[in-house]
Formats: sequence, C-alpha cells, structure tokens
Amino acid sequence: DSGVTQTPKHLITATGQRVTLRCSPRSGDLSVYWYQQSLDQGLQFLIQYYNGEERAKGNILERFSAQQFPDLHSELNLSSLELGDSALYFCASSHRLPATSGSGTDTQYFGPGTRLTVL
Amino acid sequence: SQQGEEDPQALSIQEGENATMNCSYKTSINNLQWYRQNSGRGLVHLILIRSNEREKHSGRLRVTLDTSKKSSSLLITASRAADTASYFCATGNGANSKLTFGKGITLSVRP
Repeated sequence: DSGVTQTPKHLITATGQRVTLRCSPRSGDLSVYWYQQSLDQGLQFLIQYYNGEERAKGNILERFSAQQFPDLHSELNLSSLELGDSALYFCASSHRLPATSGSGTDTQYFGPGTRLTVL
Repeated sequence: SQQGEEDPQALSIQEGENATMNCSYKTSINNLQWYRQNSGRGLVHLILIRSNEREKHSGRLRVTLDTSKKSSSLLITASRAADTASYFCATGNGANSKLTFGKGITLSVRP
C-alpha cells in the first residue's frame, strides 16, 4: 500500500459527460501528479500540483482540468468525454521538500488508479 | 512522448532464472526509477538511481546506470512466479519533477 488513495476505482460513463477523479496523497506529501495510461499512448504525464499551485503541465487536453485543495487532496476533472478518454488515470505523490533543498526525495508513490470507461 | 525505451518488450523465463531488462533514454536526467505494475493495477516503486550513481541494489534487484550511453538495466535474480508483471523505467529531472515513462516490459516467470 503506497499510502496514496484514489476514488472511484471504476467509472463508466457516456460520451459528452463530465467526471471528477479524486486523489489523496501520502501524508505530508505536497506534490501531486496525474498520469494517464492507455494502450496506445502508454503512461503519460498530465499535470502536477505542488502545495496548491500548478507546477507543471504535460499532455493534458483543454477539456481536462485539475486542482489541489488546502488539505492537499487533488481532483482531476474530465469533461466532454470522448471514447478515446477511456484509460487508467493514476495519481502519484512525492515527499515534501524544504524549499531550498538541492536534493530530496524524487520517488513518486502511485495510487491504485481509476479505470475510466467511456461508452 | 516517451523518454525511455525498454528492451525487450516481452520476456519469458523459468522460475529461478535471472531476468535482465534494459532501458534507454534520450535526454539528460537527474534520476531513473523502475516501477512494477501487475495487470491493470497501480505502479509499485522498485528502485531509484541517481545520475551520479552507477549501480544500486535492493534485495533481488540490481540496477545499473550508464549516463554516457543513456541506458539502464534492471536485473532480477532468482526470479519467482510472483515477479510476473510489467516493468517500466521512468526518468526524472530532479526533485518534485514529472516522470517520463517508457512503454514497459512484460515479464512472465513460468513456475
């Protein structure tokens, strides 16, 4: 058990709908990352938040958005869903760093994922 | 886009044998990590090696890193049926940075 939780485990919805995926990072971790895993694209980085602020963006569609709340949990919102959005969505968290630290813990701990099926 | 490319794509071995998996990457990195994923489940972190390290051990795992060749290898010794999974290498550019994953290697260990 990585200590990262994600809900729901499975989500089945229709095209055009909107869903919200939730992630709670490991206790004390300030960084949350979202990744998408699909058969054709593999594991792709979507977006990262650090202590409530967006830190980095990857291959995230404009229809997707995310946020990180004061309690550090994060939500990934997917709207106007298409068949191609069907995938496993993972959240990961990494250890808190002091702001001035030149080293740190880079290990990312992954949640169990949310399997999204768009019909 | 994928940074890491694992090789081979699939590997089938007998229990007790060693499994060697390779990963190559394209740009400079701060660290390289290996993860395991059982079918359709979450990724489990196995080991992290930093760009200034050449070799690292963790239990039955041995990871090497050659930054001049931009490659890494993961060796699992005395494999077990429970090692059957997909293995991914992922590269990072520093603390609190995203990971860029390869496509993964499917390892099957026959009992």
